[in-house]
Amino acid sequence: ETGVTQSPTHLIKTRGQQVTLRCSSQSGHNTVSWYQQALGQGPQFIFQYYREEENGRGNFPPRFSGLQFPNYSSELNVNALELDDSALYLCASSLRDFYNEQFFGPGTRLTVL
Amino acid sequence: DAKTTQPNSMESNEEEPVHLPCNHSTISGTDYIHWYRQLPSQGPEYVIHGLTSNVNNRMASLAIAEDRKSSTLILHRATLRDAAVYYCILASGGSNYKLTFGKGTLLTVNP
Repeated sequence: ETGVTQSPTHLIKTRGQQVTLRCSSQSGHNTVSWYQQALGQGPQFIFQYYREEENGRGNFPPRFSGLQFPNYSSELNVNALELDDSALYLCASSLRDFYNEQFFGPGTRLTVL
Repeated sequence: DAKTTQPNSMESNEEEPVHLPCNHSTISGTDYIHWYRQLPSQGPEYVIHGLTSNVNNRMASLAIAEDRKSSTLILHRATLRDAAVYYCILASGGSNYKLTFGKGTLLTVNP
């Protein structure tokens, strides 16, 4: 059974650029959630996707957007990058019943200069 | 939003029990209480979750107060591998879906 994988591992961008982060769900999982974790803080919920549709969103602006594909993999897109977007971006997959455990990937470290 | 309050840090000795507290006085009736932990340089890892009754699994036990305004994660015998940040999370479902992490408790385990 393959766990949750994320790519790339690290990424450096400059302010104003756009970035796409990718996540492959654990086999059999149909729900993907994305989180942002600033240094020294707990993860903050960005949004969740189920069957290719957004199923809940945290307090993040519209320049944070996502996609889920038929194979349940997912992308997080961030436009007009700001310095404060520098963080660890975590992807978690689970089954539709939210109360089941979420399986997190190792994250993508994004640095915005 | 329902929030949780945890101590910033706790310390334990190896092979001793650890009780990690969490306060969630504004919890709603449909909120589940989840615990996750995050080891250094890794994504969070699920530990346990519950609604009203105490829960046990191979990793830990979860004791939930009768009024559900607080809970305690119990590690029965701490090991060095249990050193991590432990997050107490309220899981809110429904049409306004949100998952809120607290700042967590940094657990140090002494050999």
